[in-house]
Amino acid sequence: EIVMTQSPATLSVSPGERVTLSCRASQSVSGNLAWYQQKPGQAPRLLIYGASARATGIPARFSGSGSGTEFTLTISSLQSEDFAVYYCHQNNKWPNTFGQGTKLEIK
Amino acid sequence: QVHLQESGPGLVKPSQTLSLTCTVSGASISSGSYFWGWVRQPAGKGLEWIGRIDSRGNIDYNPSLESRVIMSIDTSKNQFSLKVTSLTAADTAVYYCTRGSTRPTLWGQGTTVTVSS
Repeated sequence: EIVMTQSPATLSVSPGERVTLSCRASQSVSGNLAWYQQKPGQAPRLLIYGASARATGIPARFSGSGSGTEFTLTISSLQSEDFAVYYCHQNNKWPNTFGQGTKLEIK
Repeated sequence: QVHLQESGPGLVKPSQTLSLTCTVSGASISSGSYFWGWVRQPAGKGLEWIGRIDSRGNIDYNPSLESRVIMSIDTSKNQFSLKVTSLTAADTAVYYCTRGSTRPTLWGQGTTVTVSS
């Protein structure tokens, strides 16, 4: 299966900062990469699909980029509601797989 | 508005079989080109695909679980189901049902399953 590796595992940041989260695939997933946000006690929420397309209702401060094996999620100016765990997900090959997650903490 | 709701026992004994059902409301499970899937998440850990099924009954199982998993779909009840056999403590997790075309776009709230004697 394709292994998705996210870095860093935890990121301590202040509101208003710009942050970039990374996701690397063990083999090419083309552009078939999504990002999800998960808050405690909630199901994941789709943010980005196709590596760079924002899902419905997702604020413009969230952006995604990359292709092949290297992907990034950027949050341009962190809001208080953005502190959560972020997962990348590849749907290029079955079994689809998730990264282990990056937790954004308040500094 | 489409809504997914998981149901099933919260506590199951080791070696037994877990049965979960996802009830779809607000749309027909037969409409659209969707797959209906199950994803699980042990406490404090990441997300793992279990499998997915479409309305025609085509199924993909995660090879890591394939020998212990059975999925089915009941279009008359607008439900799809999951069975996991030979349970161990490692199967303790929140189980989510999902809907998507190429990736999950809609999730249930999740149901917590604990495997313990």
